[in-house]
Amino acid sequence: SQQGEEDPQALSIQEGENATMNCSYKTSINNLQWYRQNSGRGLVHLILIRSNEREKHSGRLRVTLDTSKKSSSLLITASRAADTASYFCATDLGITPLVFGKGTRLSVIA
Amino acid sequence: DADVTQTPRNRITKTGKRIMLECSQTKGHDRMYWYRQDPGLGLRLIYYSFDVKDINKGEISDGYSVSRQAQAKFSLSLESAIPNQTALYFCAISRGNQPQHFGDGTRLSIL
Repeated sequence: SQQGEEDPQALSIQEGENATMNCSYKTSINNLQWYRQNSGRGLVHLILIRSNEREKHSGRLRVTLDTSKKSSSLLITASRAADTASYFCATDLGITPLVFGKGTRLSVIA
Repeated sequence: DADVTQTPRNRITKTGKRIMLECSQTKGHDRMYWYRQDPGLGLRLIYYSFDVKDINKGEISDGYSVSRQAQAKFSLSLESAIPNQTALYFCAISRGNQPQHFGDGTRLSIL
């Protein structure tokens, strides 16, 4: 099935650095969403970017979408230890439920 | 109160047993979903429901069944549990195609 694929699978950075995660997908989408999962907890929605948008910001989060390359990136600026979590992209095709990728595990070291 | 409540939070059971996982919501959203999460495999959709009388299979429905008893309740059953169904199970809700809200999961171990 069509699926977003995050890259890298795992990322370890120092506190204060920026973290960038990428998501690639295979077919046309209505929108792409990013979610965060703290260890052992449910996913929490972070940000949604529609197919006609190229960039979106929310606090320290910046999401870009390139529909020609079928890819998106999530940038977390000035990372904090509390940002340590797994991050998932999910693609919305409009007629079926979201399809989630396998996630990127981010570790922010204080 | 949490928007999405899953019960139980943890369950250990034996092969062959019938298991029911419950999900209830307080937001009045129309859509409800059951996912399974395994290490390294992300979330995989088991079943979903867009309304009380609507049930749809997801990517991995074999060995599972669901019941949407009411707008607010969506139950997942394992008729005869097997060890490879050991996983973390999540219920999620949404209003139409809006972003999903997740419960905190049920950790299920089948011995």
